[in-house]
Amino acid sequence: QKEVEQDPGPLSVPEGAIVSLNCTYSNSAFQYFMWYRQYSRKGPELLMYTYSSGNKEDGRFTAQVDKSSKYISLFIRDSQPSDSATYLCAMRDNYGQNFVFGPGTRLSVLP
Amino acid sequence: NAGVMQNPRHLVRRRGQEARLRCSPMKGHSHVYWYRQLPEEGLKFMVYLQKENIIDESGMPKERFSAEFPKEGPSILRIQQVVRGDSAAYFCASSRGQNTDTQYFGPGTRLTVL
Repeated sequence: QKEVEQDPGPLSVPEGAIVSLNCTYSNSAFQYFMWYRQYSRKGPELLMYTYSSGNKEDGRFTAQVDKSSKYISLFIRDSQPSDSATYLCAMRDNYGQNFVFGPGTRLSVLP
Repeated sequence: NAGVMQNPRHLVRRRGQEARLRCSPMKGHSHVYWYRQLPEEGLKFMVYLQKENIIDESGMPKERFSAEFPKEGPSILRIQQVVRGDSAAYFCASSRGQNTDTQYFGPGTRLTVL
């Protein structure tokens, strides 16, 4: 079993839809959770950063962490064609020096 | 405030040549991380450096790959005697500190080995 798993997609939705992107992980020590967005042939850019369990909202984006289920989600409301990208989850524990990334989910928002 | 800078953006090498990839962290950041991304795969951690120190190189191949972050100048990822399997995008990220700090990524260097 991989340490972090994501549905690779591609996921296609119509403009305005609510998008749910998910990651599952196996290491219960993970405490810090990030979502990155990566456009084609570009570097990843940080979208959301959360610590431990709970929700965090930033504009159209909401990140949820459920540590009991080892499951994190990113919700995108009112999706736009400009949201079309690959979304990567990343996580680490209190002591690790580096983040473990999921393989990414490719999202296409169709106008 | 410039972000993480990487150069070159594209690098073509023939098998057996050396590849040098450079990374300048964001201003105020003293921690640098290198990742490799193969097509349709996620980012794989390679090495974590602070100025003049390698902190964690657990993701680096044991041979041909090396990294440094000198007191002055950019961090350099060096690949000797490149092979076709080294073709990938190599991303550098930087952070202000460790532990709780998030990482900010550069645009990457796309290495193609002919």
